[in-house]
Amino acid sequence: DAGVIQSPRHEVTEMGQEVTLRCKPISGHNSLFWYRQTMMRGLELLIYFNNNVPIDDSGMPEDRFSAKMPNASFSTLKIQPSEPRDSAVYFCASSLIRTSGGIDTQYFGPGTRLTVL
Amino acid sequence: GDSVTQMEGPVTLSEEAFLTINCTYTATGYPSLFWYVQYPGEGLQLLLKATKADDKGSNKGFEATYRKETTSFHLEKGSVQVSDSAVYFCALLAGGTSYGKLTFGQGTILTVHP
Repeated sequence: DAGVIQSPRHEVTEMGQEVTLRCKPISGHNSLFWYRQTMMRGLELLIYFNNNVPIDDSGMPEDRFSAKMPNASFSTLKIQPSEPRDSAVYFCASSLIRTSGGIDTQYFGPGTRLTVL
Repeated sequence: GDSVTQMEGPVTLSEEAFLTINCTYTATGYPSLFWYVQYPGEGLQLLLKATKADDKGSNKGFEATYRKETTSFHLEKGSVQVSDSAVYFCALLAGGTSYGKLTFGQGTILTVHP
């Protein structure tokens, strides 16, 4: 299994530009999570999806952030316009919620390191 | 709401020392408990887990026991190595309809010196 795939691994952009981060979850997983990690704030859950439907976006910091999951194998996190305080490592994770009620653990991608100048 | 509290870091040890990282939780119902590890420049990886009271999770020499009476899940290792230097996160998965959402502690930085 290839694991959770994120792209790009590194992104450097200038303030005001649009940034799009991409995630491919593990095949067969039906829940997807976006996190942000900084030294100051630690690991923050931004939004999560189940069966491609957003369940809770209360962690999204402001309207400049948006996330979509058009199908089971792809999700994007978009920041428009970007600001220097958005600089962080953004992680995507996926897991499997079984119809029997069991829940598999979350598997994390390698992250995208975003730097906004 | 659900919460996880880890001991403050950073923790600095010499190789072959005994490690304990404390973790306590607050949750309704019967959560599952996890320890994740993050090596420098990488994403989080599952280290071990326990799904019910008195379960012991173990992996790579690390152990943690799910203690319902003390609402704790402390991580231990008898003899740490330099390669164990990483950030360790305790997490819980609430029972019921959670869609797999984890509640994480703040993380504990471990540095092991030769």
